[in-house]
Amino acid sequence: TQLLEQSPQFLSIQEGENLTVYCNSSSVFSSLQWYRQEPGEGPVLLVTVVTGGEVKKLKRLTFQFGDARKDSSLHITAAQPGDTGLYLCAGPNTGTASKLTFGTGTRLQVTL
Amino acid sequence: KAGVTQTPRYLIKTRGQQVTLSCSPISGHRSVSWYQQTPGQGLQFLFEYFSETQRNKGNFPGRFSGRQFSNSRSEMNVSTLELGDSALYLCASSFVGGLGTEAFFGQGTRLTVV
Repeated sequence: TQLLEQSPQFLSIQEGENLTVYCNSSSVFSSLQWYRQEPGEGPVLLVTVVTGGEVKKLKRLTFQFGDARKDSSLHITAAQPGDTGLYLCAGPNTGTASKLTFGTGTRLQVTL
Repeated sequence: KAGVTQTPRYLIKTRGQQVTLSCSPISGHRSVSWYQQTPGQGLQFLFEYFSETQRNKGNFPGRFSGRQFSNSRSEMNVSTLELGDSALYLCASSFVGGLGTEAFFGQGTRLTVV
């Protein structure tokens, strides 16, 4: 069974601070995705990383896929209250690629 | 382009009853997956349908079932509801449903079992 562990579990910061969320596994994933979910809504896809060592930027968000494709990180620069939400990493299962395994989640709160 | 539509948004049911949830995927998407989200267990995969066939199944009891219609719309059914079935049920549609698939989620159906 492939598992994805995220850290930290909770994060409360002030507007303007930087933060990094980690997503780790002992298994190799062919790709990893990051989602953000707001209360009462479904997760919204932010990015997909496919190549080991890949770095993708989405405005103030920087996503990195580990060289061995076992881990990923999400870095937010100058966090804003609109970044508040549950961040989830997810990866397709080996052999049953259409089944996504989701990480344990990181709940981020950004206050003024 | 319309997103994934789930109905109803909220449901309250009594233990022992059964419930049917509906999901209309993005037009052109043939893969529909269902997930259960709870505070304790996070997001857990229930099953995936592709072209009206169940392609993958998670580790849930047989009380959880689903189907997909020729227009790709999907339904999931939970019979003999238990208190522990209270959760947010999410449907996700994908264009292909294979390697590197990106899932687009609906807003979910919040099921409360009392």
